[in-house]
Amino acid sequence: DVKVTQSSRYLVKRTGEKVFLECVQDMDHENMFWYRQDPGLGLRLIYFSYDVKMKEKGDIPEGYSVSREKKERFSLILESASTNQTSMYLCASSLRDGLGEQYFGPGTRLTVT
Amino acid sequence: TQLLEQSPQFLSIQEGENLTVYCNSSSVFSSLQWYRQEPGEGPVLLVTVVTGGEVKKLKRLTFQFGDARKDSSLHITAAQPGDTGLYLCAGAQDWGGADGLTFGKGTHLIIQP
Repeated sequence: DVKVTQSSRYLVKRTGEKVFLECVQDMDHENMFWYRQDPGLGLRLIYFSYDVKMKEKGDIPEGYSVSREKKERFSLILESASTNQTSMYLCASSLRDGLGEQYFGPGTRLTVT
Repeated sequence: TQLLEQSPQFLSIQEGENLTVYCNSSSVFSSLQWYRQEPGEGPVLLVTVVTGGEVKKLKRLTFQFGDARKDSSLHITAAQPGDTGLYLCAGAQDWGGADGLTFGKGTHLIIQP
């Protein structure tokens, strides 16, 4: 079974703090993705990576950065958290030569106060 | 950005009824996935369809890919309370999925006992 784990299920941070969200997958997938999910807006792609040390901006990269130092790990960084970054954050991974099927982690519910 | 329109957005029906959820686009997809997401969890992959006109069955769930690979439907027969959740369709436009998926905003389904 594909397993994608995220470092925290729930996180509460203060405005201006630096926040790290970590994602680890155990299926040797090349592609990894970070999304945020908000009511009425659906899933929105923040960043993705198709290889170690490679990253591509998604639809809403502003205020976020990412790091992929190892194939299995993809980190999302909020440099200075703001209240409008309160959201559900979802990590996913997929095979490079697959059908595009993505496997998701359980999500991190981040609240910025 | 390519769009996937899902309908209906919300659906609440009684246990035992049948229902169909639709996923439509003006774009052609190389593959299309359906996911189910429960509150507070990440989406879980249900099925992938690849060939135009393809029909796949998963117990009481029937998935169909349109002949032109632009649309899809999910039909549930004799719905059960355990079918409650957010159903998401997602399309890949490149083989390998390196560019990610285009997600619909989802159909919130409630099956009342």
